[in-house]
Amino acid sequence: GAVVSQHPSRVICKSGTSVKIECRSLDFQATTMFWYRQFPKQSLMLMATSNEGSKATYEQGVEKDKFLINHASLTLSTLTVTSAHPEDSSFYICSARDEGRAAKNIQYFGAGTRLSVL
Amino acid sequence: AQKITQTQPGMFVQEKEAVTLDCTYDTSDPSYGLFWYKQPSSGEMIFLIYQGSYDQQNATEGRYSLNFQKARKSANLVISASQLGDSAMYFCAMREGYDDMRFGAGTRLTVKP
Repeated sequence: GAVVSQHPSRVICKSGTSVKIECRSLDFQATTMFWYRQFPKQSLMLMATSNEGSKATYEQGVEKDKFLINHASLTLSTLTVTSAHPEDSSFYICSARDEGRAAKNIQYFGAGTRLSVL
Repeated sequence: AQKITQTQPGMFVQEKEAVTLDCTYDTSDPSYGLFWYKQPSSGEMIFLIYQGSYDQQNATEGRYSLNFQKARKSANLVISASQLGDSAMYFCAMREGYDDMRFGAGTRLTVKP
């Protein structure tokens, strides 16, 4: 299957600092990428849809000023958690949609980033 | 309203046996896609299989097959010849039209040696 790279895989930071997470589609172009958050033993919750060259669409209850998304190219989307606090500690996982002709618009996922805010 | 329902929080299967993981969905959109993903303890989400609402035949990918019953709105995943490495969380997901994908609560599968 297609490859999506997410970096870093784990980050530990102090409260008040900002953290940037990168998501790259390595072998296809992705107009649309998605950012999810997953709490322990729970399912994935969509945070926002990232569209190349335009503003992200955030789900209800997700603070857009807190979670900044940039999708500047067809292969890269970034999520910046600004002024992180302990309650932001979670597993963040990105996904890119393969919109190629035979791809059936399947979403492929990165390996996730485990964020711990001290 | 919950659009994707996985009613089995946990399932056990003996190695080399087949197992069915249940998934039901709710939509009024005639065009939709159904997906299954595997999430091992490492956290990555691995795409397993896809079924489109207009597909006439059930999807198959190696040991994975999707039992698609459109009238009943069910899309169960069948894993044949279970292996120890199949132990993981399994998520069913649905995409309506060109929208984003929504996930079920997941089923934790444990394969016993």
